[in-house]
Amino acid sequence: GAVVSQHPSRVICKSGTSVKIECRSLDFQATTMFWYRQFPKQSLMLMATSNEGSKATYEQGVEKDKFLINHASLTLSTLTVTSAHPEDSSFYICSARPRGTDTQYFGPGTRLTVL
Amino acid sequence: AQTVTQSQPEMSVQEAETVTLSCTYDTSESDYYLFWYKQPPSRQMILVIRQEAYKQQNATENRFSVNFQKAAKSFSLKISDSQLGDAAMYFCATFGNEKLTFGTGTRLTIIP
Repeated sequence: GAVVSQHPSRVICKSGTSVKIECRSLDFQATTMFWYRQFPKQSLMLMATSNEGSKATYEQGVEKDKFLINHASLTLSTLTVTSAHPEDSSFYICSARPRGTDTQYFGPGTRLTVL
Repeated sequence: AQTVTQSQPEMSVQEAETVTLSCTYDTSESDYYLFWYKQPPSRQMILVIRQEAYKQQNATENRFSVNFQKAAKSFSLKISDSQLGDAAMYFCATFGNEKLTFGTGTRLTIIP
């Protein structure tokens, strides 16, 4: 149980285009989902917290107009990187927290490369 | 605010032996949880073990156990009978105020 999927696993795009990453909780409902960014050989940095049906809460320094987050249902959250630039290249990981628990379960991550 | 410190960037252990990974933390929350996650080369984050801060009893999960010292704000992970599949990055994390804060990780190598 507690499986989280992410799609795509890998994406390459041109500078200036937008990329959407999906995060789904497959076997549970998640009132809260989280988006992280991980640079090579570094830890995970929280970008934003996404609550179903409400606006996402962004961490300090994260541009909300650049990283659009939508949590449309209890099983799906999306992250859209708008007008991507090479410095946005990174590994993006989502997690989901089942209703009524404190534990986060992570997706397999998405490697974004912006040319 | 929460901070998590893992002072061992790398550790190695002989297969079948025991290894302990260190973690200290600081938090202003009175109610919080502590976790160890592993990240193998696939980069999938996998929950290893979870500890509720209000519980004095140390959590155990098969070959994995923690030594939780609340007053010292220490939360070390012991891996017994190390196996090749245990090779990974291990991240200590605290959850409080609706956020999970990670340490910088310890890379564990298993020597056959």
